[in-house]
Amino acid sequence: NAGVTQTPKFQVLKTGQSMTLQCAQDMNHNSMYWYRQDPGMGLRLIYYSASEGTTDKGEVPNGYNVSRLNKREFSLRLESAAPSQTSVYFCASSDFSGASSYNEQFFGPGTRLTVL
Amino acid sequence: SQQGEEDPQALSIQEGENATMNCSYKTSINNLQWYRQNSGRGLVHLILIRSNEREKHSGRLRVTLDTSKKSSSLLITASRAADTASYFCATDSQRNFGNEKLTFGTGTRLTIIP
Repeated sequence: NAGVTQTPKFQVLKTGQSMTLQCAQDMNHNSMYWYRQDPGMGLRLIYYSASEGTTDKGEVPNGYNVSRLNKREFSLRLESAAPSQTSVYFCASSDFSGASSYNEQFFGPGTRLTVL
Repeated sequence: SQQGEEDPQALSIQEGENATMNCSYKTSINNLQWYRQNSGRGLVHLILIRSNEREKHSGRLRVTLDTSKKSSSLLITASRAADTASYFCATDSQRNFGNEKLTFGTGTRLTIIP
């Protein structure tokens, strides 16, 4: 049982390049989330998916797109990277609509992205 | 915008002492959670307290919630070096199905000095 996995762990991009961050969970959770973490800012929600086939914007969605490929996988795409997107990105999942009534989230190890 | 703000931003104490950190939030909540983040790692859920609860214990953790003041505190007793981490509060203010989101605070960086 791996929990939430993310790839890659580290990435360096040049301004304007594109890339996709991958996330997968093996806990059969319905909900999945993408956050970014910047110094002094805590975690900010980029996009989330309450169930397979649905996605919604969070607090800071500009410059990002997401795909909920299936129940297990939720990817985050940067179409044209900018230095302002330098951050640590975390994927999380929760069983909010399942047996648990509470949105306890399980986090992946993060992807550290630098945009030059 | 951040729902929660932790106080202090940083805290250093001697091993064995108790550590207290506080969280304030802005809007009415249903639940409040605390998470820990070790350096370079993802967040790990510690404890959840519901809005109708005032205090909750889990091992060396004690959480209180004062909904009238919109604040919560996390107490770690008998601190250990392994407690060195950042601690975040998170609120779940919307419970409508399909709109489950947590809003995280800015965190308290706790350092335990051996």
